[in-house]
Amino acid sequence: DAKTTQPNSMESNEEEPVHLPCNHSTISGTDYIHWYRQLPSQGPEYVIHGLTSNVNNRMASLAIAEDRKSSTLILHRATLRDAAVYYCILRRISSGSARQLTFGSGTQLTVLP
Amino acid sequence: DTGVSQDPRHKITKRGQNVTFRCDPISEHNRLYWYRQTLGQGPEFLTYFQNEAQLEKSRLLSDRFSAERPKGSFSTLEIQRTEQGDSAMYLCASSGPSDFQPQHFGDGTRLSIL
Repeated sequence: DAKTTQPNSMESNEEEPVHLPCNHSTISGTDYIHWYRQLPSQGPEYVIHGLTSNVNNRMASLAIAEDRKSSTLILHRATLRDAAVYYCILRRISSGSARQLTFGSGTQLTVLP
Repeated sequence: DTGVSQDPRHKITKRGQNVTFRCDPISEHNRLYWYRQTLGQGPEFLTYFQNEAQLEKSRLLSDRFSAERPKGSFSTLEIQRTEQGDSAMYLCASSGPSDFQPQHFGDGTRLSIL
């Protein structure tokens, strides 16, 4: 499976945008880029996913590099509630591929008031 | 709330005892997953069900672990003869039938072995 690399931790000020990077230089053509986050004492929560084009939803935006070797999760206006571990995960969507998510260590985001 | 429900939230037991956890997925979801998470690490996959069929098992799932989903609805995860190393958060997730659909996680069962 292709691996992802994320910084261990990042800090942001409240109400400012946050850009969380993820490197996936060995990504294959059928790998979707998924982001989940895990708030303290909770299970992971789906944030967003994409394949090639940038994606937006109510929680965040996902910017995918043209060569797909990296991506960035963008929180447009961080709140204290966004403090969590953010996981960048590749999911291969093809017959016979594994159905489970493979989590790395993620990025611990601290939001400062 | 119709999210994934796990019971109990916390379990403390002595080494060597058996424990069983329950997961109630989102009602229309036919896929169910179990993961284990230790402190400071991301969740690790244990096993996956599609309806009542257990289709994948991780090498982490030793002989002491067994999971069932008898009617394709709720699932149970049993650990026999618990060991210190079994102390972890056990997470359940469910999803719809498409690979494109996200997994929805419960808040887990935290197991502590004395």
